Amino acid sequence: AQKITQTQPGMFVQEKEAVTLDCTYDTSDQSYGLFWYKQPSSGEMIFLIYQGSYDEQNATEGRYSLNFQKARKSANLVISASQLGDSAMYFCAMRKRGGSNYKLTFGKGTLLTVNP
Amino acid sequence: DVKVTQSSRYLVKRTGEKVFLECVQDMDHENMFWYRQDPGLGLRLIYFSYDVKMKEKGDIPEGYSVSREKKERFSLILESASTNQTSMYLCASSSDVPHYGYTFGSGTRLTVV
Repeated sequence: AQKITQTQPGMFVQEKEAVTLDCTYDTSDQSYGLFWYKQPSSGEMIFLIYQGSYDEQNATEGRYSLNFQKARKSANLVISASQLGDSAMYFCAMRKRGGSNYKLTFGKGTLLTVNP
Repeated sequence: DVKVTQSSRYLVKRTGEKVFLECVQDMDHENMFWYRQDPGLGLRLIYFSYDVKMKEKGDIPEGYSVSREKKERFSLILESASTNQTSMYLCASSSDVPHYGYTFGSGTRLTVV
């Protein structure tokens, strides 16, 4: 069974500083995908970044980067130069790749608050 | 702009009522999903569908059923609503391309009284 663990229920960061949100996962699959989503108070789920299990380089998307350590089964999200608009709930998720099973399993989330 | 549309943003129903939550996507995606979101529990998968008329149980299917008669539409049915089904319900769709994320609807906040 796949499991995603986000150990930080809440995080605080000062505006313009970098912050790392932790995510560890547990799977016996060799092929899988890891995602991060942002959910602001409005409730919409916004896709941020993706990392494939066979990707050799860490994924980056603008101010977001994913620190992928396969041996440790961790996929931490790094947000550089935090902005007030980054205050939101952040979810790590894993998707089994291939076959007929395309389920996306989510962690419980981390609430990030950016202080001015 | 591609979209997943959920028919209601807020819904209040009485205990025992049959409730239909509708979801429509315009991206020709093969896969569609229903999640419920509760504080401290994250998103939990109720049911998903990878083709028309096909469905699979997720992690918490009890008390729910689904219907997918057309590729673009995926309905979640609460056969007899109960107060413990008060929650935020999120519909999502995805293609078969693994690195494409899911596209989510804006959610339906259901209150059962």
